[in-house]
Amino acid sequence: EAGVTQFPSHSVIEKGQTVTLRCDPISGHDNLYWYRRVMGKEIKFLLHFVKESKQDESGMPNNRFLAERTGGTYSTLKVQPAELEDSGVYFCASSQDGGRSYNEQFFGPGTRLTVL
Amino acid sequence: AQSVTQLDSHVSVSEGTPVLLRCNYSSSYSPSLFWYVQHPNKGLQLLLKYTSAATLVKGINGFEAEFKKSETSFHLTKPSAHMSDAAEYFCVVMSGSSYKLIFGSGTRLLVRP
Repeated sequence: EAGVTQFPSHSVIEKGQTVTLRCDPISGHDNLYWYRRVMGKEIKFLLHFVKESKQDESGMPNNRFLAERTGGTYSTLKVQPAELEDSGVYFCASSQDGGRSYNEQFFGPGTRLTVL
Repeated sequence: AQSVTQLDSHVSVSEGTPVLLRCNYSSSYSPSLFWYVQHPNKGLQLLLKYTSAATLVKGINGFEAEFKKSETSFHLTKPSAHMSDAAEYFCVVMSGSSYKLIFGSGTRLLVRP
């Protein structure tokens, strides 16, 4: 079974440009999460999809970030325009529908974003 | 609000000696706690989880953690370190209102030959 995959693995862009990160969850997982780790800080939650709906987007830092999950399969996270402080590693995770109980979140390897 | 504090940013041990990675939590109710590990260029992998069952939790690769409510701790241990254990370890608590995970700052484990 394929794990969570993320593309690209690395991205280097100039300040003011646009970047789109992609996450493919494990097949059949309705829950999809985005997290990020900026330099020297903790890994922080960004948002949570259940199928194609945003369940919780309380961690999105500002309106330069747009996440979508059309069709409830893969997800994209667009940063437009990118700023220097957006540099970091962006992780995607997916899990099955756990109802009221916790189901393990499986993480992808992350996308390392560098904004120059 | 829930939070976790990892007390050591780096831990160095010799191969074959015990490992202790320390974590304290803060929660207004019984928390769900986890340890994740990240090897270089890999995704985060769940080592073990505590969800209010047994206080001593056994995980993969010989790791275990003990939930101590009186000390608000959830330290990760392993009796004998292996070179392949070198990685970064994260103590994590789950938010009570959703499934989002709240991470500690991470502890980088170095294993010396």
